[in-house]
Parts: sequence; C-alpha cells; structure tokens
Amino acid sequence: EDQVTQSPEALRLQEGESSSLNCSYTVSGLRGLFWYRQDPGKGPEFLFTLYSAGEEKEKERLKATLTKKESFLHITAPKPEDSATYLCAVQSPSGGYQKVTFGTGTKLQVIP
Amino acid sequence: DGGITQSPKYLFRKEGQNVTLSCEQNLNHDAMYWYRQDPGQGLRLIYYSQIVNDFQKGDIAEGYSVSREKKESFPLTVTSAQKNPTAFYLCASRVGGRNIQYFGAGTRLSVL
Repeated sequence: EDQVTQSPEALRLQEGESSSLNCSYTVSGLRGLFWYRQDPGKGPEFLFTLYSAGEEKEKERLKATLTKKESFLHITAPKPEDSATYLCAVQSPSGGYQKVTFGTGTKLQVIP
Repeated sequence: DGGITQSPKYLFRKEGQNVTLSCEQNLNHDAMYWYRQDPGQGLRLIYYSQIVNDFQKGDIAEGYSVSREKKESFPLTVTSAQKNPTAFYLCASRVGGRNIQYFGAGTRLSVL
C-alpha cells in the first residue's frame, strides 16, 4: 500500500527565514510526485510535478526536489502570503488507473 | 475562465436526507474525481470517472453515489446511509495523458 508522510505537521517561520518541508513516501512504481498549496476553506492549488530522482522545479520562492524516498519543498525568504497548508501526493498504477495518495500536509505560518 | 465549479459552498443535511453536491468543469478533461477531506487526514478518494457513463468506487464509496452523464458534470450524492457525512468535499479533474489533478473550491457539508 502506498504511503505518504509529511513533516513537520506545522511550521512557524519568521518572514525571511528559509526552511524545508519534507515528504517521505513508499510506493510501488512512482508515476509522479505532486505538491499542492491549500488555503483555509479552499481547494488545493497545483504547484509542481516531479517524475524522477534528481529532478528539481522552482516557482518564485519555492523549490521542489525529489529523491528515491522523499521530496523536499524548500521555501526561500518566505513572506506572510506563503502561509498555507502544503500537500504532497504520489501517483502509482493501481487496479487499472493512476491512484493518487495524499499526505496529511504541513501547515506553514509565516510571521511578519 | 476555464475551471472547476463546485456548488454549493456550504450544505446542511438533515437526518435521513440525501443531498447532492454539484461539480462542473469546462476544461474538457476526461477524468473526474471526488475526494473527502477530514481534519488531520489526507484526501480520501470516494469515486472517480475516466470517461462518460463509467465510474468506479474509490477507497470510501459506501454511503455515496455518483453519475457521469456528461463530460462536464460529475455530481456526488451523499445518501442517508453515510452516517458521518460532515467533511469538506473536493472535486477534481484531470486531462487525458497528463497526471495532474486540478481541484474545485470545495463544498463543506454539515449535519443539522
């Protein structure tokens, strides 16, 4: 059974204080790893897809990296508007369709 | 604007009542999904549909039903058999050939 574990559960940063969020996974045949941002009371917003170990993607202050066992979401010099819950998900083939398994998320708070 | 529209934003269910959550997309995506999100848990798959007139049960389908009569629409009915329906419900869609799921804004269902 595919599993996704995100850590920490919650993270509080000062504005400008860089840090990383972790997503550890076990999956039989990774087809893709996804990062989403979710604001309170809203649906997840797609950020990145990573497909193979060593791959990196960047968007503004966010950078996602992937190894064979985990992914990191690095946040450089965060701003208060980066406060949100960040979800990680993995996709694998299962029962004839591409099953997606989500982690429980890391709730990030950036303090001015 | 292209996107996924979920309605209503808030819904209240009385004991023994069936309620239907709407999900409409104008992205021309083939696959559509329904997830349930509870505090402290990852998104859990209720039902998915890869083409019109076909849908499959996800991990927690008991007490729910769906239909897919049009490509654009994938309504979810929460039946009276679902004893713990209070949750945040998310609809997603995915274009054929790509793995990324895009989400609607969600419907929050509560029991009166």
